[in-house]
Amino acid sequence: QSALTQPASVSGSPGQSITISCTGTSSDVGSFDYVSWYQQHPGKAPTLMIFEVNIRPSGVPARFSGSKSGNTASLTISGLQAEDEAYYYCGSYTSITTLWVFGGGTKLTVL
Amino acid sequence: EVQLVESGGGFIQPGGSLRLSCAVSGFTVSSNYMSWVRQAPGEGLEWVSVLYSGGTTFYADSVKGRFTISRDNSKNTLYLQMNSLRAEDTAVYYCTNYNYGDKVLDYWGQGTLVTVSS
Repeated sequence: QSALTQPASVSGSPGQSITISCTGTSSDVGSFDYVSWYQQHPGKAPTLMIFEVNIRPSGVPARFSGSKSGNTASLTISGLQAEDEAYYYCGSYTSITTLWVFGGGTKLTVL
Repeated sequence: EVQLVESGGGFIQPGGSLRLSCAVSGFTVSSNYMSWVRQAPGEGLEWVSVLYSGGTTFYADSVKGRFTISRDNSKNTLYLQMNSLRAEDTAVYYCTNYNYGDKVLDYWGQGTLVTVSS
């Protein structure tokens, strides 16, 4: 069982917006602004999409945005495109000995 | 350009040992924090271990006492020595750079598959 909780799947049509949630605890998401999001296409390595809750690395489209409230972080993708179909994982720094925790992943389907 | 290239994966029987390598270009391994993350077939990501630039190491409870993370500064290479392997260690193992300031895994290798089976 993953330390952070994500929905197993979400879907949306091209052009629509979707939001993926990531719920943690006061030991991770709730206490630190060190939440990041990773996109993974089948058979490929994860790539960083968002870090420190809402910062996009260079090259990541502005359609991707992040936010946080309490123990829950969220990734929003606006103007969905077919190439956004992938798995998305959240990750967070944690104050417990494991130092780093991931969510279980969310499969995004673009209808 | 930053590149992380893993190697050393393969098929191994339970109880066996394997050493994974991660050759890095584009930055100096000894100056950075480096981490291993794994992904079992059809499953999510699991953080495995981290090696700080100063030499401090941390491990996930699932591998503590069996896996050892290390580096060779002269080869700019990160390693993961895996002993007493179990079927549940079967996974793709990714080498990553852990950006300590931003607390993020920002660069990833392509991964190497380890299969533990009799």
